[in-house]
Amino acid sequence: KQEVTQIPAALSVPEGENLVLNCSFTDSAIYNLQWFRQDPGKGLTSLLLIQSSQREQTSGRLNASLDKSSGRSTLYIAASQPGDSATYLCAVTGNTPLVFGKGTRLSVIA
Amino acid sequence: EPEVTQTPSHQVTQMGQEVILRCVPISNHLYFYWYRQILGQKVEFLVSFYNNEISEKSEIFDDQFSVERPDGSNFTLKIRSTKLEDSAMYFCASSDYRANEKLFFGSGTQLSVL
Repeated sequence: KQEVTQIPAALSVPEGENLVLNCSFTDSAIYNLQWFRQDPGKGLTSLLLIQSSQREQTSGRLNASLDKSSGRSTLYIAASQPGDSATYLCAVTGNTPLVFGKGTRLSVIA
Repeated sequence: EPEVTQTPSHQVTQMGQEVILRCVPISNHLYFYWYRQILGQKVEFLVSFYNNEISEKSEIFDDQFSVERPDGSNFTLKIRSTKLEDSAMYFCASSDYRANEKLFFGSGTQLSVL
């Protein structure tokens, strides 16, 4: 059964800092991996999707990498801003629908 | 940008009552999903729907739950007799021509069962 773990559970950084969020999954037979952003009491916004054949994807200040063989992904956020404060969720899909991690709650302090 | 819309945003109901949560997926999408998130816990898969039938469901999706696409635009989740433990945020999602490809999520319905 696929399990997704995200470390750290919470992170607080000063504005302008570069940061890395980590995601690991137990079954490497995935089709793709998605990173989502969730604001309190709100829905899920897809940030990046990495296909299993890809190593990374970039969107603006966000860069996500995937190492399928080791079951790991990282989300790199450059020059963090207070508006980046949210919970970031990692999710993988393979033979099963999306399986989510519990998320990393990020606070960027001005 | 097209988006998935869900109504209502909040629903309060008494235990044992039936509730229907509504979703309008993105118009050219073919796969539809319901997920839920109990406060403080992970987002969990409930059910996927394609070609007017359930394609996959989780252990959570028991006989109390049903889904329907009553017309060309709406996708509904019905809970027949709500329990306290059904209190959660329910998310609808859709994807285009391939199952489990990039999912687009709605903003959710917060269901509170009293």
